[in-house]
Amino acid sequence: GAVVSQHPSWVICKSGTSVKIECRSLDFQATTMFWYRQFPKQSLMLMATSNEGSKATYEQGVEKDKFLINHASLTLSTLTVTSAHPEDSSFYICSMGLAGDYEQYFGPGTRLTVT
Amino acid sequence: QKEVEQNSGPLSVPEGAIASLNCTYSDRVSQSFFWYRQYSGKSPELIMSIYSNGDKEDGRFTAQLNKASQYVSLLIRDSQPSDSATYLCAVKGGGKSTFGDGTTLTVKP
Repeated sequence: GAVVSQHPSWVICKSGTSVKIECRSLDFQATTMFWYRQFPKQSLMLMATSNEGSKATYEQGVEKDKFLINHASLTLSTLTVTSAHPEDSSFYICSMGLAGDYEQYFGPGTRLTVT
Repeated sequence: QKEVEQNSGPLSVPEGAIASLNCTYSDRVSQSFFWYRQYSGKSPELIMSIYSNGDKEDGRFTAQLNKASQYVSLLIRDSQPSDSATYLCAVKGGGKSTFGDGTTLTVKP
């Protein structure tokens, strides 16, 4: 399967600061990118979807001004958590795929802890 | 009713047995179906994809799809302790995936 990298794998930050998470596809060009959040022992929650050349579409309840998503290229997407709060502490996972109903591949995830 | 429902679990099987994981979905226009394995503290890993009715086999894994019944399953033959994980069913239509809550499988040596 395709390889997706994510950086950093874990980060601890202070409340009020911003954190940027990078997601890269290493061996294919992804036309669609997804960002998920997962709390302990809970299911994946889709935060937003972005397609090549267009802005991210956010799911209901996800603040677009707080979670900034940039689909920089066909191999790079970034998620910036602005003004982080302890309740933003979670496991953030990116996923990339081709347009349409094909497979999507997940990055290894970033564990964010806001103190 | 959830869009994608899986066995509530947890499911426990002895080593060497067949583990059966089930998933039903509500959206009839769904086109693609996937099974992901997620180890504790890790991200999901794609293990099977299936697009048409019938069975698809890959090693010890067999996915079964019945679109008329809106049902997809995953069979794991000769289960190993390393198969212990949470298995997520995903249904995709219109470019968007919907995930089930997952079924946790434990394979006991």
